[in-house]
Amino acid sequence: NAGVTQTPKFQVLKTGQSMTLQCAQDMNHNSMYWYRQDPGMGLRLIYYSASEGTTDKGEVPNGYNVSRLNKREFSLRLESAAPSQTSVYFCASTRDRGNNYGYTFGSGTRLTVV
Amino acid sequence: SQQGEEDPQALSIQEGENATMNCSYKTSINNLQWYRQNSGRGLVHLILIRSNEREKHSGRLRVTLDTSKKSSSLLITASRAADTASYFCATASNDYKLSFGAGTTVTVRA
Repeated sequence: NAGVTQTPKFQVLKTGQSMTLQCAQDMNHNSMYWYRQDPGMGLRLIYYSASEGTTDKGEVPNGYNVSRLNKREFSLRLESAAPSQTSVYFCASTRDRGNNYGYTFGSGTRLTVV
Repeated sequence: SQQGEEDPQALSIQEGENATMNCSYKTSINNLQWYRQNSGRGLVHLILIRSNEREKHSGRLRVTLDTSKKSSSLLITASRAADTASYFCATASNDYKLSFGAGTTVTVRA
């Protein structure tokens, strides 16, 4: 099925460990995004890639890095995980950078940092 | 910071009733979008309304936009148990990003 695929679905990390969240879309979308969702706070943008070859910080980028590997793939890396990064992470994509179309979201990665 | 704020935070209705939720935002927008999120799942795009549109329909959904009041509403008619979910508004401005509100949790009772 066409869409956005995120791996892994669940992950438990110890404080200080690193990991990479993977995201891939097969809709030939240009723009991709990483959000985190915390209870009562809605979605907050971590990083985005308006087009292949570009990445920019969002609202809460500290503690994260991203790589737009190619048009399909956009990964999110936590270099040294902290308990404050316990959250549900969503990757999303859309056709163009102008937000003229809706976003397609992945099913999320539930991350717990202990 | 969040651009949109939904009201109410939670809503409980009987199956067959209509559900209305509102979204207010602070700065000028290009369009406003509504999304649904079922428990434990990703968000699903429902409808997009552009800043020069006042009303839009999609099936049992009706969205209005009042740019003078910086507000939007989402109406779900003849609600079903399957409509139980959280609903989010998101605003698109000139900065290539969508800004989401905290959402309205809708519970449809059988």
